[in-house]
Amino acid sequence: GENVEQHPSTLSVQEGDSAVIKCTYSDSASNYFPWYKQELGKRPQLIIDIRSNVGEKKDQRIAVTLNKTAKHFSLHITETQPEDSAVYFCAASLNTGGFKTIFGAGTRLFVKA
Amino acid sequence: GAVVSQHPSWVICKSGTSVKIECRSLDFQATTMFWYRQFPKQSLMLMATSNEGSKATYEQGVEKDKFLINHASLTLSTLTVTSAHPEDSSFYICSAFKRESYNEQFFGPGTRLTVL
Repeated sequence: GENVEQHPSTLSVQEGDSAVIKCTYSDSASNYFPWYKQELGKRPQLIIDIRSNVGEKKDQRIAVTLNKTAKHFSLHITETQPEDSAVYFCAASLNTGGFKTIFGAGTRLFVKA
Repeated sequence: GAVVSQHPSWVICKSGTSVKIECRSLDFQATTMFWYRQFPKQSLMLMATSNEGSKATYEQGVEKDKFLINHASLTLSTLTVTSAHPEDSSFYICSAFKRESYNEQFFGPGTRLTVL
């Protein structure tokens, strides 16, 4: 089955700096890669996603890149702000015989003011 | 919009009792819903896929007799934790798959279960 690895587990940056979180997946059939932000005790919130026919997508301060050949995808947050502090999860979804999403282990991001 | 609700938001029960958690899609029909559990400081682990009108598909290692799933309508799926024990204490989150949104899942707010 699909396996998603995420690094780093913890990331601390200074306000205004960039943050990068990297993920790898194992199943080449995965075709949808969402990123979620989760605050303590709350539901995951979709912040950006990318589909397998696209290599890069940007939405204001957030960008995601996908390398299908290497099965890597990354989240880039620029000009970080204290309110960006949260846990971020990458995920890989595939729709073969039923839709399924597998989550990475999560990255706890701290943005220091 | 795509709103998913869960009820209750938290529940405390005694060991050995059963607890039912409801997941509703409020403004769309969801033929497929998913149930996840999340332990503190850990990731979301898919427990099962709930399909309207058919049996749920459970992930490896998840006991189907322990975690009963019923998806009786296009807007409601329920998860019943039977004979709950302290190790079942966790954050349970459902999500609904909206076909028109191409693979995007919409998550409920979660239910925190504490078994004493």
